Amino acid sequence: SQQGEEDPQALSIQEGENATMNCSYKTSINNLQWYRQNSGRGLVHLILIRSNEREKHSGRLRVTLDTSKKSSSLLITASRAADTASYFCATEGNTPLVFGKGTRLSVIA
Amino acid sequence: DTAVSQTPKYLVTQMGNDKSIKCEQNLGHDTMYWYKQDSKKFLKIMFSYNNKELIINETVPNRFSPKSPDKAHLNLHINSLELGDSAVYFCASSPQPDQPQHFGDGTRLSIL
Repeated sequence: SQQGEEDPQALSIQEGENATMNCSYKTSINNLQWYRQNSGRGLVHLILIRSNEREKHSGRLRVTLDTSKKSSSLLITASRAADTASYFCATEGNTPLVFGKGTRLSVIA
Repeated sequence: DTAVSQTPKYLVTQMGNDKSIKCEQNLGHDTMYWYKQDSKKFLKIMFSYNNKELIINETVPNRFSPKSPDKAHLNLHINSLELGDSAVYFCASSPQPDQPQHFGDGTRLSIL
C-alpha cells in the first residue's frame, strides 16, 4: 500500500508559531496532495505537488517533497486559531488517491 | 452556493434497513467519488465514476451500490445495513481523476 502516514498524530502550538507536519509513503507516486478537515466538515484541498517538484508555496503554506526518502512536509507559518483542524496527506499513483490518518493541529490563541 | 452537496447530513437507522445517500455537484466536474471515514478518521475510497462510468470499485461489500444518473449526481444505496457500516460517508468530485478533489460535508450514518 502507498498509504501516507502523517507525523505527528497531534500537534498543539501557540498562535503565531509555525507548524510542521510530515508525511511518509511507501511506493512511487505521480503527485502528493495536502487537505484540511475542520471538525464536522468535508476535506478542503490545500496544495498539490507533483513528483518532479521539490517545493511549492501557497500563501502561508509551504510544501516540500523528497521522492528519494518518500516523504513530504507541510509548513504553516504564523499560525492562527482558524488553522485548527486535521491535516491529511494523500498520494496519487497507480492506485486511486490514498489518504493518511491525519495530523490533528490545535492552535491556541 | 454549495459546490458538492450531500443529503441527508445525518442518518440514524436500524440494522437490516436499506438507505440511500444522495450527492450532487454543481462544478461541472467529470469525476465523482464516495469515501468512508471511520471513527479513527481514516478515509478510504469506495467508488469513483468518470462521465457516469464506474472506474474505481474498491473492496466494498455488494450491499453498497453506487448509481450515477448523470455527471452531476452520484448516489449511494446501502442494503441490509450492519453495525460496521456506521461511519461518515463523503462524496467528492474533481475535473478529472488525477486532479484535486472537492468534498461535500459528509453524511453521518449511525446504525442502531
